[in-house]
Order: sequence, then structure tokens, then C-alpha cells
Amino acid sequence: QKEVEQNSGPLSVPEGAIASLNCTYSDRGSQSFFWYRQYSGKSPELIMFIYSNGDKEDGRFTAQLNKASQYVSLLIRDSQPSDSATYLCAVNSGGSNYKLTFGKGTLLTVNP
Amino acid sequence: GAVVSQHPSRVICKSGTSVKIECRSLDFQATTMFWYRQFPKQSLMLMATSNEGSKATYEQGVEKDKFLINHASLTLSTLTVTSAHPEDSSFYICSPLEQRGVLQYFGPGTRLTVT
Repeated sequence: QKEVEQNSGPLSVPEGAIASLNCTYSDRGSQSFFWYRQYSGKSPELIMFIYSNGDKEDGRFTAQLNKASQYVSLLIRDSQPSDSATYLCAVNSGGSNYKLTFGKGTLLTVNP
Repeated sequence: GAVVSQHPSRVICKSGTSVKIECRSLDFQATTMFWYRQFPKQSLMLMATSNEGSKATYEQGVEKDKFLINHASLTLSTLTVTSAHPEDSSFYICSPLEQRGVLQYFGPGTRLTVT
């Protein structure tokens, strides 16, 4: 069974700090990786995706992928209180169905 | 990102009744639609996958006769919860897959409460 693991948190960081969110996955054949942000009571919002090993930066967000270690992370620089949310890691194992397997999410709290 | 609408955003119904949820992709065509549900403090669980014009494929443990999915066009899919029970109370979210891409965007969700 394909699994995606995340620390449930809560992860608490002060405003302005770097928040580091981690995710591991079990299917070595996984091909694409996504980070979604979900505010309480709302649906998930796609914030980053990465396909290749290494880093991918978008504004304050950096996704890091290490396929050998089956590990993907999300760094949020200069964390803001508005970043407080649950962050969901999702993995697509390829094939034509594009199905995503989601982790349970990490709750991030950024303290002013 | 893509624009996806869902209607209604919130519905309360009595046990035994049926509820229809509509999902529309407003600025792109979706050949594939995913339907998820999310119970409080849990992650998203895929219920079914539908392709336009075809029957939906349901995940293990999801009753196809209870959760009817129609994907009649490239911009509209509906999920009908038939004979709803309190245990069906959940947050239902659609996710259309853009015809040319692999990025999944989510609708705003429908919160169903069955009394």
C-alpha cells in the first residue's frame, strides 16, 4: 500500500523564522510531488509541486526532493501568521490516472 | 491557478434524503474528475475518479450505489449522496484534472450535515 507520512505537529515557529515541513513516501516509483495548504474549514490550495531531485523555489517557498531517500520537504522563509494552516503533502505514483496519495498533514502555527 | 466552483457550499439534510453536489471547472476543461471527502481532523480520502462520458471508478470501501457520480461534460460533474445518513456528514471536495496537465486544483468544498 502506498503511504505518505507527515508529522502531524503542531509545528510552532515565531514570525519571521523558517518553517520546515517534512514528508516521506513509500512508493519508490513516485514521480511527482505536491504541497497543498489547507486553512481550517477550507479546501486545499496548491502551493508547490516538484518533479526532479533538488530544490525548487517560488517566492518564500522552497520544495526539496530527494528520491533516493524518498523524502520531500517544504521550507517557508520569513514565516507569517497568515501561513498558519495545515500543510498536506501529496504524491503521484505516475501512470495515466494521476491519482494522488495524501499525507495526513502537518499543522503549522506561526506566532506573532 | 484554475477556477473551480462547487455548489452548494453547505447543506443540511434529513436522514434518508438525497443531496446533489455540483462541481464546475470555470476556465478549463477537465477530462478527469476526482471526488474526495474529508472527515474532521483527517486527511483527504479519494472516493472516486470519473472520466467524461464514462462510469466512475470507486475506491475500495466506497459504495457506488450510494455515491452517484455523473461526469456528463468537460466542465461539470455531480456527486449525489443517496439516502444520506449521519455518518455521511463530511466535507466533500471535487478536484478536476486539467485536460492537458497534471496539476490538481480543488473546488471550495461542500460541507454536508445529515441530521
